[in-house]
Amino acid sequence: AQSVTQLDSQVPVFEEAPVELRCNYSSSVSVYLFWYVQYPNQGLQLLLKYLSGSTLVKGINGFEAEFNKSQTSFHLRKPSVHISDTAEYFCAVTSQRTASKLTFGTGTRLQVTL
Amino acid sequence: NAGVTQTPKFQVLKTGQSMTLQCAQDMNHNSMYWYRQDPGMGLRLIYYSASEGTTDKGEVPNGYNVSRLNKREFSLRLESAAPSQTSVYFCASSPASGGVFMELFFGEGSRLTVL
Repeated sequence: AQSVTQLDSQVPVFEEAPVELRCNYSSSVSVYLFWYVQYPNQGLQLLLKYLSGSTLVKGINGFEAEFNKSQTSFHLRKPSVHISDTAEYFCAVTSQRTASKLTFGTGTRLQVTL
Repeated sequence: NAGVTQTPKFQVLKTGQSMTLQCAQDMNHNSMYWYRQDPGMGLRLIYYSASEGTTDKGEVPNGYNVSRLNKREFSLRLESAAPSQTSVYFCASSPASGGVFMELFFGEGSRLTVL
C-alpha cells in the first residue's frame, strides 16, 4: 500500500518570505507524485506533477518541487509568497500498479500575512 | 469551460433520508471518481470508475452506491444518510486509460450535512 505524510498541518509565513511545504511518501514501487492547491470554497487544482525524468519540477504560480527518491520526499517550495497563495495544499501519490487511484495527504494550510 | 459539474452544491438531510449527488464532465474523460473531504483527513476515495460500465470501491465505500450512467455522468447515492456522512464531496475526472494515470480535474464540491 502507498501513503503520504504531510508533516505540517499549518504553515504561517509573511508575504515575500520563502516557504517549504513538506511531503513524504511510502511506496514499494515507482511512484507518480502530485501537489494540488485548494482555495477557499473551491475544488482542487493541479499545481505540479512528477511522473519521470528531471527530479526538479516546476509548476504554476512560481511553485516548484523536488523528487528525492532516497529520502522518499516531494517537498513543495516557493521563493517568495504572496497573500494570494493562502490556501490548502495537498500532496498525492499513485503508482503504475494503482494507476486509477490517487492517495492524498491530510493537507497543509498555508497562511500568508503582511 | 464547464469541466466537472456537481449538483447540488449544498444539501441538508435528516438521518435515514436518501439522496443522489450528480456529477457530469464535458472533457471526454474515461475515469471518474468520488472523494469525500473531512477536516484533518484530507481526501478519501469513495468509489471510482476507470471506464464507462465499470465501478470499483475505494477506501471508504460503506454507505454509498454509485452509477456510471454514461461516459459523462457518475452519480453517488446515499441510501440511508447518517451523521457520519456529513462531509464535502468532490467529483473528479481523469483522461487516464490503459493503466496509465493522469491528473485529476475536480468539481467545486457538494457540502452535505446530515442531522
